[in-house]
Amino acid sequence: DIVMTQSPDSLAVSLGERATIYCKSSQSILYSSNNKNYLAWYQQKSGQPPKLLIYWASTRESGVPDRFSGSGSGTDFILTISSLQAEDVAIYSCQQYYSSPLTFGGGTKVEIK
Amino acid sequence: QVQLVQSGAEVRKPGASVKVSCKASGYTFTNFDINWVRQAAGQGLEWMGWMSPKSGNTGYAQKFLGRVTMTRNTSTSTAYMELSSLKSDDTAVYYCTRPAGSYPWFDSWGQGTLVTVSS
Repeated sequence: DIVMTQSPDSLAVSLGERATIYCKSSQSILYSSNNKNYLAWYQQKSGQPPKLLIYWASTRESGVPDRFSGSGSGTDFILTISSLQAEDVAIYSCQQYYSSPLTFGGGTKVEIK
Repeated sequence: QVQLVQSGAEVRKPGASVKVSCKASGYTFTNFDINWVRQAAGQGLEWMGWMSPKSGNTGYAQKFLGRVTMTRNTSTSTAYMELSSLKSDDTAVYYCTRPAGSYPWFDSWGQGTLVTVSS
């Protein structure tokens, strides 16, 4: 199974500042035949199901604000919130869909400092 | 719009079974797989498996083999997940979810069903 490791477990960021979340896979999730990274990011607010933010590691889902961006390749990935807003308080999780079983990171809790 | 509406919270004793339903609307039910993902309190998301509503084919995570069964009723556009031989660490919120297309990232989720296993 591909293990997804996120860091940090939690972070507190001031409003308007940048939040950076890391996700590392135990093996490469870059598929060489199409040069795509099989990674998605989700946002989960308290008491709600996850919401898709990004897929293919860097493609923003329709309707997601452009302050959210994804980057990285191979085994190391980053989710960046460029200017944290109050409504961004949530847990963020990465997911690989390169191989079965699908696996998720443990989540990173983002709070306001 | 796509909606996945799940059945309500359940309480079971250890060793019992639970069956959670997920009613789909807003799209052609047989065109997209249904996946099940669970989340214990304060823990990360855990994928359990998938089912094709068109064929009934399934694929389960190794951890749940022999204990989970995913089925569907195409006439009512409803998917089901049954988990047997329940243990206390099966206490979790269970979500049904649908991929956006051919690849398994998930853009639609049910509201979640809390299953509590307690003696």
